[in-house]
Amino acid sequence: DTAVSQTPKYLVTQMGNDKSIKCEQNLGHDTMYWYKQDSKKFLKIMFSYNNKELIINETVPNRFSPKSPDKAHLNLHINSLELGDSAVYFCASSYYTRGGEAFFGQGTRLTVV
Amino acid sequence: DAKTTQPTSMDCAEGRAANLPCNHSTISGNEYVYWYRQIHSQGPQYIIHGLKNNETNEMASLIITEDRKSSTLILPHATLRDTAVYYCIVRAVANQAGTALIFGKGTTLSVSS
Repeated sequence: DTAVSQTPKYLVTQMGNDKSIKCEQNLGHDTMYWYKQDSKKFLKIMFSYNNKELIINETVPNRFSPKSPDKAHLNLHINSLELGDSAVYFCASSYYTRGGEAFFGQGTRLTVV
Repeated sequence: DAKTTQPTSMDCAEGRAANLPCNHSTISGNEYVYWYRQIHSQGPQYIIHGLKNNETNEMASLIITEDRKSSTLILPHATLRDTAVYYCIVRAVANQAGTALIFGKGTTLSVSS
């Protein structure tokens, strides 16, 4: 069983479209994260949710809206996609008090054309 | 979180020990040292962490100097599959529950036969 799974793995879309990336974890963790890895390979935190509540919201355009229907899921919806949104997006999860031991998904490679 | 400094890249022969250094001279007393790695096109993977004592698990050993200003991750018998970017991260635990990991540039380890 995959611990943290993201769908889709690849996403190619045109500028201006709206798209969603889904993430699910089956580890029983109570905290989930979204990271963005750009073309220079820097990994940056975008959002963090604990028990469905937003606890970290880095400086991310408000075109990005995370949604956590339950503590096992954290989806990322992106409106009006731009070329600069092209990146690999990673979902991760951990226990709230053990955030240093996070499990990451395999990533979603988003390409905006 | 305290800053870390790692070499940009290192090479290692297959079967030999890979010793990856990390400097964290401004580390605080309540900050742990975490190591992650990212194999090409995959999500980051937790390896090990420690506070002041040396730690060992099935993946690696972590040696932390007595003054805690530096540490070394040791992969005792490197294989080609250990080729990856290795990240050293310092992070408090007690008062930063729920905060995300902050990744630097890491060390690219290349294992060759």
